[in-house]
Amino acid sequence: ELKVEQNPLFLSMQEGKNYTIYCNYSTTSDRLYWYRQDPGKSLESLFVLLSNGAVKQEGRLMASLDTKARLSTLHITAAVHDLSATYFCAVVIQGAQKLVFGQGTRLTINP
Amino acid sequence: NAGVMQNPRHLVRRRGQEARLRCSPMKGHSHVYWYRQLPEEGLKFMVYLQKENIIDESGMPKERFSAEFPKEGPSILRIQQVVRGDSAAYFCASSPTSVFEQYFGPGTRLTVT
Repeated sequence: ELKVEQNPLFLSMQEGKNYTIYCNYSTTSDRLYWYRQDPGKSLESLFVLLSNGAVKQEGRLMASLDTKARLSTLHITAAVHDLSATYFCAVVIQGAQKLVFGQGTRLTINP
Repeated sequence: NAGVMQNPRHLVRRRGQEARLRCSPMKGHSHVYWYRQLPEEGLKFMVYLQKENIIDESGMPKERFSAEFPKEGPSILRIQQVVRGDSAAYFCASSPTSVFEQYFGPGTRLTVT
């Protein structure tokens, strides 16, 4: 059974600092997604990572994928308050038709 | 092109009642997925449907839960005899072709009192 684990689960940081969220998964996967969720809202797609070594950046967020290590990272650069949200990674099981989500990382950025 | 629509957005049911959650996929999408999010947790896959067919229901509880996606009309997730543990946000996602292009709806927040 595919397991997806994120860490940390809770992260409180100051504006202007850098930090990284990690996403480990246990079996081979076709692709990996990062989503953002604000309280009481739906999921907003941030990145889709398709292959080993893939790196994508949007504003202060950068995601990377290492399929050999079964690890993805979401790096936050010079955090701002607007990035406060819960971030999920999700993985597609090879040959299956469903997403398996991590537990989520609740990020709070303090002024 | 309207996004995935879910209704109701909020639903309150007493224990023992039935809950019906509706999902209208995006135009042209024939694949629907239902996920459940318990408080403070990630989303958990429940069921994957195509028009008139259940493809994968491996995440559905064995009792009280059912899903359908008829030829016409929205997909329905039905929960019979709700219990407090069913309180959660239920999200549906639709896709035109496969699991790789899922677009999520706004969710239905079910509260069981």
